[in-house]
Amino acid sequence: QLHLQLSGPGLLKPSQTLSLTCAISGDSVSSSSAAWNWIRQSPSRGLEWLGRTYYRSQWYNDYAVSVRSRITISADTSKNQFSLQLNSVTPEDTAIYYCLGGYFFANWGQGTLVTVSS
Amino acid sequence: DIVMTQSPDSLAVSLGERATINCKSSQSVLLSSNNKDSLAWYQQKTGQPPKMLIYWATTRESGVPDRFSGGGSGTDFTLTISSLQAEDVAVYYCQQYYTTPLTFGGGTKVEIK
Repeated sequence: QLHLQLSGPGLLKPSQTLSLTCAISGDSVSSSSAAWNWIRQSPSRGLEWLGRTYYRSQWYNDYAVSVRSRITISADTSKNQFSLQLNSVTPEDTAIYYCLGGYFFANWGQGTLVTVSS
Repeated sequence: DIVMTQSPDSLAVSLGERATINCKSSQSVLLSSNNKDSLAWYQQKTGQPPKMLIYWATTRESGVPDRFSGGGSGTDFTLTISSLQAEDVAVYYCQQYYTTPLTFGGGTKVEIK
């Protein structure tokens, strides 16, 4: 049974870097069939896929165009986790952030509310 | 990007009546490797994360009541609630996973008439 534990700060000031980590149990971050995603939800932007990382003999990343210049998703195999970094945040980045495994998503967890405010 | 367009934005249905939600993708989401449509449906109740109901357009997730059914193919899909119950009040979303960026519809709010 896949379980993802999301951690990271919930309050940021504009221009700071958002850093979230998702610890995986029940699967391996380097599984050759898995993909590890970040999705956020806000009233203004709805459900927005931000990007993913996955391992297929080497690591690959896909990112949404809307955040491509600011985002990095990386995996840590020693800790079996993956992370999101979003630079230069603005109030528009205020949202509930979710980490999810797969291509369609059966296990959302509660997510974490990230607020960007001065 | 594949744009997912849901209709209607909201609908009010009497208890026990049928509710039908539409989702249209801007291009086909048929995966040729398994001849299945890469489309999922989610239910989100107020204050909760989304819950997956349907995947591969028609496959009901384990534990989901059989009054929920998914239909359609290619670019046009439906989620049907055959007999609306009070606990079905929620916002429903479709999502394509055929290609990145993964994209969601804007949601359909279902209420009791």
